[in-house]
Amino acid sequence: AQSVAQPEDQVNVAEGNPLTVKCTYSVSGNPYLFWYVQYPNRGLQFLLKYITGDNLVKGSYGFEAEFNKSQTSFHLKKPSALVSDSALYFCAVVSYYGNNRLAFGKGNQVVVIP
Amino acid sequence: DSGVTQTPKHLITATGQRVTLRCSPRSGDLSVYWYQQSLDQGLQFLIQYYNGEERAKGNILERFSAQQFPDLHSELNLSSLELGDSALYFCASSFRDRDTNEQFFGPGTRLTVL
Repeated sequence: AQSVAQPEDQVNVAEGNPLTVKCTYSVSGNPYLFWYVQYPNRGLQFLLKYITGDNLVKGSYGFEAEFNKSQTSFHLKKPSALVSDSALYFCAVVSYYGNNRLAFGKGNQVVVIP
Repeated sequence: DSGVTQTPKHLITATGQRVTLRCSPRSGDLSVYWYQQSLDQGLQFLIQYYNGEERAKGNILERFSAQQFPDLHSELNLSSLELGDSALYFCASSFRDRDTNEQFFGPGTRLTVL
């Protein structure tokens, strides 16, 4: 079974500072990794995904994520946070092989302070 | 706008009642997923349909059922409602039946059971 850990409940960052949201995963075989964002009173929105290839994946709204196989991590990053980035961020993983279910983390609340 | 629509947006009902939530997937998407989001349980996968057939079941209670119709819209039926069923219910869609593809989420239906 696959699983995701998002260790921090809330990440506070000042506007303009770098933003990092951490995610570690556990999966059998090669992983597909995803980041989704949920703004207040909205559904989840797809940000980016890692399939294979370059470990640095670029996504929507200036976000990127770095896949690190040895550390089984897929941290989400943004060089300069905006107040509008305040939202709930979900990491998710599924194994490439088999008909496995996507496993979501519990989510991280990001608060960008003006 | 993800292209996934859900109705109604809000639903308030009493314990013991039955409700139906409706979802229309993005044009061309064949898979529909249902999720429940609550503060204590986080985001829980309930059930998936692909082209009218049930593909996977998650943490779905026996009091809950779903179906996908020939026009690919889906309905989630919740019966004998309990206070603990109060949550946000999301529908998501994707083109294929595997979780390795990104999912597109609707805005959700907020269910309140009094």
